[in-house]
Amino acid sequence: GNSVTQMEGPVTLSEEAFLTINCTYTATGYPSLFWYVQYPGEGLQLLLKATKADDKGSNKGFEATYRKETTSFHLEKGSVQVSDSAVYFCALTELMDSNYQLIWGAGTKLIIKP
Amino acid sequence: DGGITQSPKYLFRKEGQNVTLSCEQNLNHDAMYWYRQDPGQGLRLIYYSQIVNDFQKGDIAEGYSVSREKKESFPLTVTSAQKNPTAFYLCASSIPGQGNYNEQFFGPGTRLTVL
Repeated sequence: GNSVTQMEGPVTLSEEAFLTINCTYTATGYPSLFWYVQYPGEGLQLLLKATKADDKGSNKGFEATYRKETTSFHLEKGSVQVSDSAVYFCALTELMDSNYQLIWGAGTKLIIKP
Repeated sequence: DGGITQSPKYLFRKEGQNVTLSCEQNLNHDAMYWYRQDPGQGLRLIYYSQIVNDFQKGDIAEGYSVSREKKESFPLTVTSAQKNPTAFYLCASSIPGQGNYNEQFFGPGTRLTVL
């Protein structure tokens, strides 16, 4: 089956630093790819998405490009803020029992220090 | 405002007791999901439902049960058969038939602690 691998956290950065959180995947076919964010004590929110190769998803200064040749969907932001501290999940779609489900990475905790 | 509500936010249970977690959505979504989240791990699918009166087991359904009598509601019961129920439980919904693009919308979660 499909799978997602994220870099282990926590990732600790100073404010205004450049952020990269790595996400690689194994999949048959052409899944859609997602980044979700979870702020402390809350549910998950969709951050950005990409549905086909070379698509770039972007939102709130975050970007990720669907790289089929390297099976990657790395999350980047040019200048992080303390408010970006959260857990970030990479996910992709997989067809199971005629329905598309989401396959999740383990999450990467991001800590931004002032 | 449309969204997903889960109640309660915190729930305590004694060993051997069943407990039901509520999930309600007013997004008019057909599909609903229950996930379990443990520290340092990704989300694991417990049950999902694509349509009223129908649901399927996910990866870790043992010790859990669900019902889907109404489109808006998808309650999860954690039974005494679940050996390690302490976790953060997340409910989600989506519009089925999106094909390969399955964006899910999440509730705020319920943290269950077994005493």
